[in-house]
Amino acid sequence: SQQGEEDPQALSIQEGENATMNCSYKTSINNLQWYRQNSGRGLVHLILIRSNEREKHSGRLRVTLDTSKKSSSLLITASRAADTASYFCATDANSGYALNFGKGTSLLVTP
Amino acid sequence: GAVVSQHPSRVICKSGTSVKIECRSLDFQATTMFWYRQFPKQSLMLMATSNEGSKATYEQGVEKDKFLINHASLTLSTLTVTSAHPEDSSFYICSAKRFVAGTNEKLFFGSGTQLSVL
Repeated sequence: SQQGEEDPQALSIQEGENATMNCSYKTSINNLQWYRQNSGRGLVHLILIRSNEREKHSGRLRVTLDTSKKSSSLLITASRAADTASYFCATDANSGYALNFGKGTSLLVTP
Repeated sequence: GAVVSQHPSRVICKSGTSVKIECRSLDFQATTMFWYRQFPKQSLMLMATSNEGSKATYEQGVEKDKFLINHASLTLSTLTVTSAHPEDSSFYICSAKRFVAGTNEKLFFGSGTQLSVL
């Protein structure tokens, strides 16, 4: 069952601006991951944050995790047109490490 | 790095035919693979967990006789959509689990298969 809920559902910004996407979930997790998906393509793993971590950086990406609020945020700094894609958060489920995906945020970065 | 290959990337078929989708782990052995379905502008829904050498575990609401999963080897899982109908048109994505030393298990995703049933 879907656990993660992202907001906003759609985000439109200009190149150079920062993009922030949020994700909320309902149950306890081992870790939370963010993925990117270009239209009609597979998923690209961006970053994983463990439940005992609060913040993580990778290049222009910054992820935060607040387990008390059951929420996470993904910040993309200095966005580029090539960042245009859908972004999903995913949490690990109870059985066999199947991920539960949120509904995703569709990001549009205009030149 | 690890790669998961999914084939075909796109298939168009007539209603009533069966379609087989393959998911291969190219440089590692995957005892567990997962199959997801994604409708346009929606998220990925887990369909089933495929375990090598045993029966797949299906999520609630997914018909196991409709979506046949076979995981006959450590590098290959197949999903067969039997007697496909237009409502089965969707994007199907597989993923494979791999143990990575020093970290949690890592999931690698195939590039997906767009199924269109006419």
